[in-house]
Order: sequence, then C-alpha cells, then structure tokens
Amino acid sequence: DTAVSQTPKYLVTQMGNDKSIKCEQNLGHDTMYWYKQDSKKFLKIMFSYNNKELIINETVPNRFSPKSPDKAHLNLHINSLELGDSAVYFCASSGVGYEQYFGPGTRLTVT
Amino acid sequence: GQNIDQPTEMTATEGAIVQINCTYQTSGFNGLFWYQQHAGEAPTFLSYNVLDGLEEKGRFSSFLSRSKGYSYLLLKELQMKDSASYLCAVGSFQKLVFGTGTRLLVSP
Repeated sequence: DTAVSQTPKYLVTQMGNDKSIKCEQNLGHDTMYWYKQDSKKFLKIMFSYNNKELIINETVPNRFSPKSPDKAHLNLHINSLELGDSAVYFCASSGVGYEQYFGPGTRLTVT
Repeated sequence: GQNIDQPTEMTATEGAIVQINCTYQTSGFNGLFWYQQHAGEAPTFLSYNVLDGLEEKGRFSSFLSRSKGYSYLLLKELQMKDSASYLCAVGSFQKLVFGTGTRLLVSP
C-alpha cells in the first residue's frame, strides 16, 4: 500500500491555466506539507497543515491555494500558472515523530 | 535566518567509506535529519539526531554537534545503489529546512 500518494505524476500545461494536484496519506498522520523542488534540486516548504488547519505558509504567492478537506488529504490548486512554477511538487506527512514521509512527486511543466 | 551548507558533489569508490558534512545556522532547532533522494524519486528518511553524538543504523551513521552547528552522514561499505543526493535538513518551528543536497557518485 502506498503511504503518501499524489496525482497526477506529470502535468504539462500552458501559462495562465489553473491546475490542481491531489495528495492523500494512509499513515494516520496529523500533519501534511507541500514542498517545491526547483531545477537546482532545492527543496523548499510551501505549506503545512495540522488536522486540517494551516500552520505554515512560507510567503507563497496567493495564486497557490492549499485545501485540506480532512487530515488524510491535502490538495494544491494553482491559478494563472507561470513559467516559474515549473518544478516538482512533493507532498509529505508526519506523525508524532518529526520524520516526514514524501509522496512520489508531481512534475509540473508550464509552457 | 536559516543557512544550511553541504558540499555540492562527492565521489567515492564501491566498498569505501564516505562522510558528508553539513553545517547549519537556524533560528530554531528540533533536530537534524538526513534524507536520501535518487534521481526522479521522492526523498526518503535516513536518520534523525536531536542530541549530540552518533546514531548508527546499519551501514549509515549520523553525527550531531549542536554547539558547533555541525552534522555528518557516514556511509560505509558503499554500494552502487548509494549513488544519490543526500539532503541535510534542520527541524525548525514545525517545519524542515533543507540544504541544497550533496550528490554522491559511487564508481566501481
């Protein structure tokens, strides 16, 4: 069974479009995250939710809107996509311990 | 502010030992993490240090000195499959702050 899953795995779209990425974890964790990994492989946190409540928002443009319908799901919606949004987006979750478990990533390409 | 430094790239030979260093300056500290990331894949958790000293886990060990803001990951008996990026991360205020990663190339 996949612990943290994301869909889609690949997303190719044009500038100006709106797209969503979905994430689900079956680990029973309370906290979920979205990270962005750019072309230089730098992994940076974007958002964190704990029990459906937003606890971290790392100065991400408000074109990015996370939504957590329940503590097992954290989706990411992106409006008006720009070229600079091209990256790999990772979802992650953590429980009582501090270690985080990452999903397989969604490679977003904006043309 | 947050600053985490690691070497960009290292090379080693199969069967050898390699040490990947990480220095950090962060405004909060909940622990030091090491992750492994193979090309095109997700980061996977390797180790966690919250107290000073050495944590050993099979072929991998991680060391922490909080007073020096320093950690290292030690990989023994290197295998070709250990070729990957190794990410140092500091737990700080409910989040992980990652370094830029060290790309390790293991050759036969």
